Amino acid sequence: AQSVTQPDIHITVSEGASLELRCNYSYGATPYLFWYVQSPGQGLQLLLKYFSGDTLVQGIKGFEAEFKRSQSSFNLRKPSVHWSDAAEYFCAVGAARQLTFGSGTQLTVLP
Amino acid sequence: NAGVTQTPKFRVLKTGQSMTLLCAQDMNHEYMYWYRQDPGMGLRLIHYSVGEGTTAKGEVPDGYNVSRLKKQNFLLGLESAAPSQTSVYFCASGPTTSGRTDEQFFGPGTRLTVL
Repeated sequence: AQSVTQPDIHITVSEGASLELRCNYSYGATPYLFWYVQSPGQGLQLLLKYFSGDTLVQGIKGFEAEFKRSQSSFNLRKPSVHWSDAAEYFCAVGAARQLTFGSGTQLTVLP
Repeated sequence: NAGVTQTPKFRVLKTGQSMTLLCAQDMNHEYMYWYRQDPGMGLRLIHYSVGEGTTAKGEVPDGYNVSRLKKQNFLLGLESAAPSQTSVYFCASGPTTSGRTDEQFFGPGTRLTVL
């Protein structure tokens, strides 16, 4: 069965600083990978997804993620964080029409 | 398009009471899902459906039942609520994409408290 690990429960960055959120997955075949963001009291919104091809994926709101098969990772990055990026971020792996989510990383942005 | 909607947004139950959560989607998606979200545990799949009239168990199905009588609706029932079912419940739907597992679209959630 597939699984996802997000090692960082909580990350704090200053506005304007760069950001990297880590995601490691376990899956035997080619993974379908996703990053979602959840603002307080809201549902989940898709930031980006990887199916195949170029290992650097661009998403909405200036986010990107890089798939590294050798490291079983799909880390999310943003060059300059905005205060509105404060939220919880979830990585997920897709298989058999289901998504398996990590436990999430809470991002705090300092002014 | 409204996307995925959930009714109600909030609910408080007493132990042993029953209730039904309603999910509706207007994107003509075949797949629909119910998750629960608890602090530090991400989202866990309760039940899902791959089409009208079908349902299947997910990771944490005990204490819940579901029905998909119409393609656009997916109902989650709690027959006898327990405090352990206090959680935020999310519904999601997803398209039929040949050969891969595609993204899911999420509703705004229902916050359920069982006293």
